[in-house]
Amino acid sequence: DIQMTQSPSLLSASVGDRVTINCKASQNINKYLNWYQQKLGEAPKLLIYNTNNLQTGIPSRFSGSGSGTDYTLTISSLQPEDFGTYFCFQHNSWLTFGSGTKLEIK
Amino acid sequence: EVQLVESGGGLVQPGSSLKLSCVASGFTFSNYGMNWIRQAPKKGLEWIALIYYDSSNKYYADSVKGRFTISRDNSKNTLYLEMNSLRSEDTAMYYCAKWGEGFDYWGQGVMVTVSS
Repeated sequence: DIQMTQSPSLLSASVGDRVTINCKASQNINKYLNWYQQKLGEAPKLLIYNTNNLQTGIPSRFSGSGSGTDYTLTISSLQPEDFGTYFCFQHNSWLTFGSGTKLEIK
Repeated sequence: EVQLVESGGGLVQPGSSLKLSCVASGFTFSNYGMNWIRQAPKKGLEWIALIYYDSSNKYYADSVKGRFTISRDNSKNTLYLEMNSLRSEDTAMYYCAKWGEGFDYWGQGVMVTVSS
């Protein structure tokens, strides 16, 4: 099974900051990498699919990049509503999530 | 608007059974694969089962294989998860999710607690 390692597990940032979250796969996942945001008590929401495609309705401050085994989610200017937990997810071979990054207010 | 509404959760004893339902609306249910994903309290996400749009294929995570069964009724726009031989480690919020490019829409989830 493909393992997904996310970093950092906890990230403290301020409104307006540029934020990056990383995800490393245990083998090449051919850009089949999605990013989800989950707020407390809510279901996860799809932000980006297949590395760099923004889901409908998601603000353009969110972007994704990467290839092979290494992928990044970037928030260009953090907004108050962006705080929560972020998960990466691969669907190249079977289906596995990263362990999550909790993004909190500094 | 896509909506997925789960039901059927609750508190059950170890070894017992439970059947979850997920009613879909806002899209052509019979055209899409569907999934169940769970999240144990304060833990990460675990995909557990998927079913093709026409029920022709079903796949399970090793953690539930042989105990859980995914099914669907396209005439009722409903997805099911039958859970048998429940264990304490099955305690989690269970989400149904539509398959687009990954899980593109999720329900709000239903809680299953396995405890004596």
